[in-house]
Amino acid sequence: NAGVTQTPKFQVLKTGQSMTLQCAQDMNHNSMYWYRQDPGMGLRLIYYSASEGTTDKGEVPNGYNVSRLNKREFSLRLESAAPSQTSVYFCASNPPQGTYEQYFGPGTRLTVT
Amino acid sequence: GQQVMQIPQYQHVQEGEDFTTYCNSSTTLSNIQWYKQRPGGHPVFLIQLVKSGEVKKQKRLTFQFGEAKKNSSLHITATQTTDVGTYFCAGRVSGYSTLTFGKGTMLLVSP
Repeated sequence: NAGVTQTPKFQVLKTGQSMTLQCAQDMNHNSMYWYRQDPGMGLRLIYYSASEGTTDKGEVPNGYNVSRLNKREFSLRLESAAPSQTSVYFCASNPPQGTYEQYFGPGTRLTVT
Repeated sequence: GQQVMQIPQYQHVQEGEDFTTYCNSSTTLSNIQWYKQRPGGHPVFLIQLVKSGEVKKQKRLTFQFGEAKKNSSLHITATQTTDVGTYFCAGRVSGYSTLTFGKGTMLLVSP
């Protein structure tokens, strides 16, 4: 099992450009999450999907959209990138029972100039 | 909204010294999780605490959940250079499916 995979690993965008961050998990998890991590700010939840077909806003959703394409895939889209969106983005998923521990992907380092 | 405060932000210790990070929530939690993130890596789950007053140990790491289920701590005995990283607590409130993460404590261990 690959666990949680994210593409791309690195990306540089100019202000106003758009892009989609891809995330996939092969663990048959129902819930998936997108976080951003900024220095000294910890992990902040952008959007999450409790199950296929549902998405909900997290703490910092402005400037982002998400799509839960199927049970495996959860993408994050920046329609018009801004320098304030320079961050490391992590996708995570958790199983439907047990400890509900979250499994994180390796992250995407995004710079917006 | 729910807030999870974590202190200290940063600690630098000599190898062999002990280390503790503390986590406080503004609301009562149903459970709390701890994660470790190595430099340049992604967060990795360490443990979950559920019961009031619960204490769990993993080798040199001791995790505690407060009686009121609003605070928690992680204590590392005799740190090693392999303990370097940022430790995050993450709390879950009953009825909610999401976690609220603290800002983390960055641990640096000098040999």
